[in-house]
Amino acid sequence: AQKVTQAQTEISVVEKEDVTLDCVYETRDTTYYLFWYKQPPSGELVFLIRRNSFDEQNEISGRYSWNFQKSTSSFNFTITASQVVDSAVYFCALQGGSEKLVFGKGMKLTVNP
Amino acid sequence: DSGVTQTPKHLITATGQRVTLRCSPRSGDLSVYWYQQSLDQGLQFLIQYYNGEERAKGNILERFSAQQFPDLHSELNLSSLELGDSALYFCASSPVDWDEQFFGPGTRLTVL
Repeated sequence: AQKVTQAQTEISVVEKEDVTLDCVYETRDTTYYLFWYKQPPSGELVFLIRRNSFDEQNEISGRYSWNFQKSTSSFNFTITASQVVDSAVYFCALQGGSEKLVFGKGMKLTVNP
Repeated sequence: DSGVTQTPKHLITATGQRVTLRCSPRSGDLSVYWYQQSLDQGLQFLIQYYNGEERAKGNILERFSAQQFPDLHSELNLSSLELGDSALYFCASSPVDWDEQFFGPGTRLTVL
């Protein structure tokens, strides 16, 4: 069975702090995809990234970076120099060979000025 | 504005009823996805269509069905509604399978 665990349910930081959101997954599939989504207080969902299981290269997009480590089944997300606009609920998700997408429970990030 | 539209924004109905949620993808996007977000179940993927054909199925109940029409808009039909179906239903679209997805604003369904 596939499972995504976001152990942190809520984090509060002060602006300009770096913050890492943890995501640990379980799957028996050798080919799978990992995702991060953002849901700001306004409620809409925003797709952030999709990575496949064969690509362990870290990815950086502006202040966002992702660290994929197959050895520890983790796909962590770091926000550098956090800003108030980063306040949101962040979801990690896994899609295995069955194509079904499984989400973690989400992690609420609050960035205080 | 993502370019994905969903109607209606809000829907209030009674148990046992049937409703249809509509989604228009971004121009040119072939893939449409439906998600449900509720307090009990969290965020769940329901179903995906690609160019009119069902491509992937998630935790979609048998009381729910969806389709994608030749003009690529999609409808999610929810029948025999229960209180627990109250949720925010999102539609997303992408140019191809599981590419970057663009989300609509959601339809908030309240079942009384």
